[in-house]
Amino acid sequence: NAGVTQTPKFQVLKTGQSMTLQCAQDMNHEYMSWYRQDPGMGLRLIHYSVGAGITDQGEVPNGYNVSRSTTEDFPLRLLSAAPSQTSVYFCASSPTGGAGHPQHFGDGTRLSIL
Amino acid sequence: GQQVMQIPQYQHVQEGEDFTTYCNSSTTLSNIQWYKQRPGGHPVFLIQLVKSGEVKKQKRLTFQFGEAKKNSSLHITATQTTDVGTYFCAGPTSGTYKYIFGTGTRLKVLA
Repeated sequence: NAGVTQTPKFQVLKTGQSMTLQCAQDMNHEYMSWYRQDPGMGLRLIHYSVGAGITDQGEVPNGYNVSRSTTEDFPLRLLSAAPSQTSVYFCASSPTGGAGHPQHFGDGTRLSIL
Repeated sequence: GQQVMQIPQYQHVQEGEDFTTYCNSSTTLSNIQWYKQRPGGHPVFLIQLVKSGEVKKQKRLTFQFGEAKKNSSLHITATQTTDVGTYFCAGPTSGTYKYIFGTGTRLKVLA
């Protein structure tokens, strides 16, 4: 099993550009989420989804959009990149969002905004 | 908003010494999970605690969940160099699917 796959692994953008970070899981998990991790910091929840067609905002949703058209995929879109969005982005999935299920993380996307 | 703080922020220990990190949430958590992140890596799940006052052990690691479900701790006995990394607690706010991660404790083990 591939688990949670994130692409790209590294990306450099210019301020104002848009891009989509891809996340795919092959474990048939209902719950998927996006986090950002700034240097030396914890993970902050951007958006999450409890199933196909259902998404909701986390702690820091501004500047990001998500959609969940299939169980497998949960892309994160940066609408107009800003230097403050320079971070490492992790996608995670779990069977459900409720108690009893660990989150499985992808390897992350390291994003720099110039 | 809700916060989950961990102390200490950093800890350097000699190999063989014990280590403890404490996790404190400003609100009740329905369950608490612990993750370990090696430098340059992604968080890896260690364990989950669900019941108030629960204690679980994994070899040299002991995890506790507070009676009020607002705090937790991770204790490592006789640290080894393989324990190096950052340890995070995390949990969904009661009644939601929003996971809040703690600020993390970075452990360095000196051989």
